[in-house]
Formats: sequence, structure tokens, C-alpha cells
Amino acid sequence: KNQVEQSPQSLIILEGKNCTLQCNYTVSPFSNLRWYKQDTGRGPVSLTIMTFSENTKSNGRYTATLDADTKQSSLHITASQLSDSASYICVVSPIGRDYKLSFGAGTTVTVRA
Amino acid sequence: NAGVTQTPKFQVLKTGQSMTLQCAQDMNHNSMYWYRQDPGMGLRLIYYSASEGTTDKGEVPNGYNVSRLNKREFSLRLESAAPSQTSVYFCASSQSRRTANTGELFFGEGSRLTVL
Repeated sequence: KNQVEQSPQSLIILEGKNCTLQCNYTVSPFSNLRWYKQDTGRGPVSLTIMTFSENTKSNGRYTATLDADTKQSSLHITASQLSDSASYICVVSPIGRDYKLSFGAGTTVTVRA
Repeated sequence: NAGVTQTPKFQVLKTGQSMTLQCAQDMNHNSMYWYRQDPGMGLRLIYYSASEGTTDKGEVPNGYNVSRLNKREFSLRLESAAPSQTSVYFCASSQSRRTANTGELFFGEGSRLTVL
């Protein structure tokens, strides 16, 4: 079973609307949680990195939150744009296992005009 | 601004054929990685190289070999391709193995491989 589960698998929103993506993880203990954006046919690009002690991190219209007690994170996209159409991947880094990151399967977001 | 460069971007192979995916980074990073991405699954680590001259198995190494040619280049070889190796392959790099965990991991654009 994957240690990082994302929901929903996909969603469609209208341009200008907000949306929230969810990430539940079982990796413990962990050093940080990241969100990546992956455009179709491209490699993942980092959006935010939060350590286990941080609750929120923003990058422009993207805001990530982290609740280490419930092992949940969310990525909120504000005032969506067509360029936000992409897959968003949640990644958790375990303490003491360096490079062995746990990747979620991603949520595919489609923004329509 | 090249970052991580992979070649080829697309490849179609027949079962049993061999091929090598090439990866180069220009960020002077010590650590490099090969991942595969399959529909409905998270990225999975195939092999990694913590530093020049070292390579180690990741989560799904069977059917693959790697070579860390120098600090810049890390290649992935399929000796006898199988349909199960149809996937999108990503090369990535980080300043060190530790910073892959604590900081930035930079990905290439991906290589889409189809094995018939």
C-alpha cells in the first residue's frame, strides 16, 4: 500500500475558481513534505517544501498546509488560471532514509475557461 | 538554464532489444537518480548515485543497469526490454543525497519508452 495517498484523483474547475487538493500519508517520522507541479509531458517542478514543524507555506497562488498530528496536507489553488492545468504530486521525505522519498500518484487538475 | 537533460524523449522498442537512456546535469550536483512513472502510481526509484563513482539499487532495479560516467552524466540501460518496462523515465539530481531529502530535487523532462 502506498504510503502517500492523494485525493481526488482528478478534478475540473472553472477559471478563476479555487480548489483544494488532499494528501494523506503514513510515513513517520518524516523530515519534510513537498508539493510538485507536473505539466503534461514535462518533469515535476517543486512548488513548496514544508518541514514537519511548519503549518503552512505559500508560493504565489499556491498555499500548502500541513497537519502532522493527523498526517494530512492540502494544496490550495487560489483564482485558478488555465496554466494551473497539471498534475500535482505530494512527496514525503522520511527521516533517516535520505533520498528514499515517498511519492503520491498525483491529482490531475483541469482548468476550463 | 539547461538543468537536467534527458535523451531520447521518446523511444519504441521490441521485446528483447536493448537501449540506454542518457542523463546529464549542469548544476554541479553530486547525486543523481533514475525514476519511473506509471499511470496511477507514484514515482518509483530505480537506481541512484550518491556521488561520482557510486551507484545503488532503489525500489525497482530489476531489469536495469546504470553507469555514473562522470559527475555530470548518469545513464540507465535496459539490456533486454520487456513490455513491463513501458513507462516514463525521469532522471533527477540533487546537491547531495541528504539534500534530496531536505531540499530541492530537480527533474529532467522525461523519456517515454514503449516496449512492444
